[in-house]
Amino acid sequence: GDSVTQMEGPVTLSEEAFLTINCTYTATGYPSLFWYVQYPGEGLQLLLKATKADDKGSNKGFEATYRKETTSFHLEKGSVQVSDSAVYFCALTLWSGGGADGLTFGKGTHLIIQP
Amino acid sequence: SQTIHQWPATLVQPVGSPLSLECTVEGTSNPNLYWYRQAAGRGLQLLFYSVGIGQISSEVPQNLSASRPQDRQFILSSKKLLLSDSGFYLCAWRPRQGNNSPLHFGNGTRLTVT
Repeated sequence: GDSVTQMEGPVTLSEEAFLTINCTYTATGYPSLFWYVQYPGEGLQLLLKATKADDKGSNKGFEATYRKETTSFHLEKGSVQVSDSAVYFCALTLWSGGGADGLTFGKGTHLIIQP
Repeated sequence: SQTIHQWPATLVQPVGSPLSLECTVEGTSNPNLYWYRQAAGRGLQLLFYSVGIGQISSEVPQNLSASRPQDRQFILSSKKLLLSDSGFYLCAWRPRQGNNSPLHFGNGTRLTVT
């Protein structure tokens, strides 16, 4: 079946450090890929997405590129802030045109940014 | 624009008591609706999904149930809560015809069973 693997952390960085959170996937077709962010006590917010190979999603300084050859969708940010502390989820979906097709999520990566 | 509402935000219930969590979506029609659970320190588990009124699919057998009495209303219930039902419950929606579209989540309900 489809699956998403990401580093679970916690990942602890200093403010202004470079961030990479790895995400790899296994899927039977050509999925769309997403990164969600969950701040403490809140629901999940869509951070960025990519729907086909070589697409780059970006938002709030975060970027991720859909790499079909390595089945990866790593999240990066050049300079993190304390406010980026949260749990980040990588997810995929495969649309079959009629079913409910909920997303398949990774287990989440807890990111802690220290001032 | 579309919005999704969940309530209550937090809930503390004794073991054996009933449960009813409600979720409503505004600004769209015929959405697919989902209930997820997030246990402490763990990932997201899909519990139920619905593609229409009265149509519920269960992903994980347990003592929870779901209902969709109206197009944009999704309810999660239990007749008797267990300690293991504690967790963070998230409702989500996506367009019925969404082509690989993302899920949009509510703010969640923190349930503590004591």
